Amino acid sequence: QVKLLQSGAALVKPGASVKMSCKASGYTFTDYWVSWVKQSHGKSLEWIGEIYPNSGATNFNEKFKGKATLTVDKSTSTAYMELSRLTSEDSAIYYCTRGTVAHYWGQGVMVTVSS
Amino acid sequence: DIVLTQSPVLAVSLGQRATISCRASQSVSISSINLMHWYQQKPGQQPKLLIYRASNLASGIPARFSGSGSGTDFTLTIDPVQADDIAAYYCQQSRESPNTFGAGTKLELK
Repeated sequence: QVKLLQSGAALVKPGASVKMSCKASGYTFTDYWVSWVKQSHGKSLEWIGEIYPNSGATNFNEKFKGKATLTVDKSTSTAYMELSRLTSEDSAIYYCTRGTVAHYWGQGVMVTVSS
Repeated sequence: DIVLTQSPVLAVSLGQRATISCRASQSVSISSINLMHWYQQKPGQQPKLLIYRASNLASGIPARFSGSGSGTDFTLTIDPVQADDIAAYYCQQSRESPNTFGAGTKLELK
């Protein structure tokens, strides 16, 4: 069955960067876009961007350009998202999903930005 | 960006019908394809896809969930509501990038 397994929670200092992973299994990784979604505490969902593993092509929400970097490792069927210059506004849960219409979700990564 | 508007809270009784609405700031339909989708999220869990393209039931979702609508107005119906359905419900449009989500409707028991 399709699974998206995300890396563990992260506590990071303001101004630092964090890189999280999303390991896919149960389907052909290169056939589907991987999207990333942010959910701030108690709030709604925001689409950050997406990457097509086969080519590395990306699309971003303008709001997250310069904040998020998306990459993949096809050899391990893993997608990565790096967030840079972290502030308290970046504290949230981050999900990876298969496709824009998210039939499958990872379990989420809680990122806490605190000194 | 396309803004999706949902009522924050809907109170229902078990066994009754719940109707959750989502209004888009502009049409999210292309020809006869309605690019509106619905998710359920319970506390501490990731969202789960319920309905895609306005009216298609996602895999494994009970038939008491249904979706309808076109253009700018869409509805998620739960009939009958069961205790397990108490959750937050989000609509999402994929008509235009960036795809956007509504603020969510919390389904509560009367």
